[in-house]
Amino acid sequence: GENVEQHPSTLSVQEGDSAVIKCTYSDSASNYFPWYKQELGKGPQLIIDIRSNVGEKKDQRIAVTLNKTAKHFSLHITETQPEDSAVYFCAARSLRLAFGKGNQVVVIP
Amino acid sequence: DAGITQSPRHKVTETGTPVTLRCHQTENHRYMYWYRQDPGHGLRLIHYSYGVKDTDKGEVSDGYSVSRSKTEDFLLTLESATSSQTSVYFCAISESTDQPQHFGDGTRLSIL
Repeated sequence: GENVEQHPSTLSVQEGDSAVIKCTYSDSASNYFPWYKQELGKGPQLIIDIRSNVGEKKDQRIAVTLNKTAKHFSLHITETQPEDSAVYFCAARSLRLAFGKGNQVVVIP
Repeated sequence: DAGITQSPRHKVTETGTPVTLRCHQTENHRYMYWYRQDPGHGLRLIHYSYGVKDTDKGEVSDGYSVSRSKTEDFLLTLESATSSQTSVYFCAISESTDQPQHFGDGTRLSIL
């Protein structure tokens, strides 16, 4: 089955700087790649997703890039704010959705 | 938030007792999923449903059963709870396998 890995496990950034989280996947048949944000005591919330026929997608301060050849995709958060502090999960879907283990992002005011 | 309600939100119980968690949706989505979330493991699929009375196993289904008698409700049952099933359980829904999954706020289950 699909195996998704996330790096780094914890990321600390100064407020206003950019944060980048990278995920790799194993199944070349995967065609859908969502990113979720999870705040303490809450469920994962979909923040952006990308399909395999697109290389990049942007929504305000967040963007996702996909490199199908290298089998990796990345979440980019620009102008980080304290409310961006959370755990972020990437996922990839071939037959089923497989999740990475999550990244803790800490934005330092 | 997608109309997903999980109940109870917290539960503490003893080893060997049966436990049922409920997921209720108001979106009329066909697909419903149960995941468990554990430190170091991310989210792992337990069971999912693709329609009323239609369910299938996920990657960590041992020790769990599910039922879906109505579109809006998906129940997860631990027939005889064990300490290894202490976890946070999340329900998710989607219109189809090609559409995003949306999650509820979880049930924190502790088995002593």
